[in-house]
Amino acid sequence: GQQLNQSPQSMFIQEGEDVSMNCTSSSIFNTWLWYKQDPGEGPVLLIALYKAGELTSNGRLTAQFGITRKDSFLNISASIPSDVGIYFCAAQRSNTGKLIFGQGTTLQVKP
Amino acid sequence: GAGVSQTPSNKVTEKGKYVELRCDPISGHTALYWYRQSLGQGPEFLIYFQGTGAADDSGLPNDRFFAVRPEGSVSTLKIQRTERGDSAVYLCASSTGQAGQPQHFGDGTRLSIL
Repeated sequence: GQQLNQSPQSMFIQEGEDVSMNCTSSSIFNTWLWYKQDPGEGPVLLIALYKAGELTSNGRLTAQFGITRKDSFLNISASIPSDVGIYFCAAQRSNTGKLIFGQGTTLQVKP
Repeated sequence: GAGVSQTPSNKVTEKGKYVELRCDPISGHTALYWYRQSLGQGPEFLIYFQGTGAADDSGLPNDRFFAVRPEGSVSTLKIQRTERGDSAVYLCASSTGQAGQPQHFGDGTRLSIL
């Protein structure tokens, strides 16, 4: 079935460092999204990307929709302790259909 | 509230029992989605409603799983003859149903089958 390969699986970084994670697929998607999930809560939308090549920022977060439509990355600059959590990439074929999720990247930040 | 609401937040039941999980979408959202998330994994799609009808039920694992949305708002996910492998967090999401509008998730129901 459809699958997104997300890496790295986990990261342990020092506060203030920059973070980068990415997601790849063998299939083409029309929408890429990045969510963050804290323990006991549902995924919270961080950034949505709708156009190949699109680069979008949300505060310290920057994400890009790969030009091939088969990949996306998320960067977090100057990490802080509240960035701790699990980050998921997700992708859609159609704008209103189901999301396919990556396996998640667990981020830990050392103060 | 303004977000997607799911009840109960936790459900513990015995193998073989029947369970119902409820989702209240964001007001005015016509599209509603159910996902299942196992420990350490990303959410996996189960079913998608546009209004009252199931537009895509390809993710339902077998005929023990069924979902309804009779009035196009609240949805109920029903699981018959529960098995231990059904233990997971069941997430609901909603969107406006229009192109370019993302899905927003509730906090899920944690289902444990003993």
